[in-house]
Amino acid sequence: DTEVTQTPKHLVMGMTNKKSLKCEQHMGHRAMYWYKQKAKKPPELMFVYSYEKLSINESVPSRFSPECPNSSLLNLHLHALQPEDSALYLCASSQDLAGGNTQYFGPGTRLLVL
Amino acid sequence: GEDVEQSLFLSVREGDSSVINCTYTDSSSTYLYWYKQEPGAGLQLLTYIFSNMDMKQDQRLTVLLNKKDKHLSLRIADTQTGDSAIYFCAESFTGTASKLTFGTGTRLQVTL
Repeated sequence: DTEVTQTPKHLVMGMTNKKSLKCEQHMGHRAMYWYKQKAKKPPELMFVYSYEKLSINESVPSRFSPECPNSSLLNLHLHALQPEDSALYLCASSQDLAGGNTQYFGPGTRLLVL
Repeated sequence: GEDVEQSLFLSVREGDSSVINCTYTDSSSTYLYWYKQEPGAGLQLLTYIFSNMDMKQDQRLTVLLNKKDKHLSLRIADTQTGDSAIYFCAESFTGTASKLTFGTGTRLQVTL
């Protein structure tokens, strides 16, 4: 099983809303990632968690707040977003951060900020 | 920073072979990957190659790596309409396995 699941599939929110994106994997992976992907562009790394601790924050604005409640779950809390934050948000996981560990991606949440 | 370049678009007829190319500038990569992304979907890992290998074959997919020229290619034999998608190459580096550097993506269109 190499499945990473993400909910919701689509999300529309206003600039004053608070919402959360969820990601789950049951492969026993200890590294999990959030990426942002704009149309016709490659994914851009946002955050990396390793063993439930934040390992990398790629200078992401504080209106994006990640959380890793346990080794299978990864959340991304959204607050006061801007229209330019509209994108596909992808979650990925890998065995850990050691070299050669392949990242497996979820289907993504398509976010529209009005 | 590393730059990974791909041609934007490739059109092939069904049944022909497709070759998608990728060039990169940082020769210290350890693994190189090919991902497929269908419209509105996430990235599907297709195959990967360790940087000390020249070639890897997996059913209809053949990956060729020319480290001297920093050139990676993906050949899809007997291309089908279901192969229509965007293909991203990506590289990872020793010690920073968490960081994948993606190419710009190639849109493959398969025509009948």
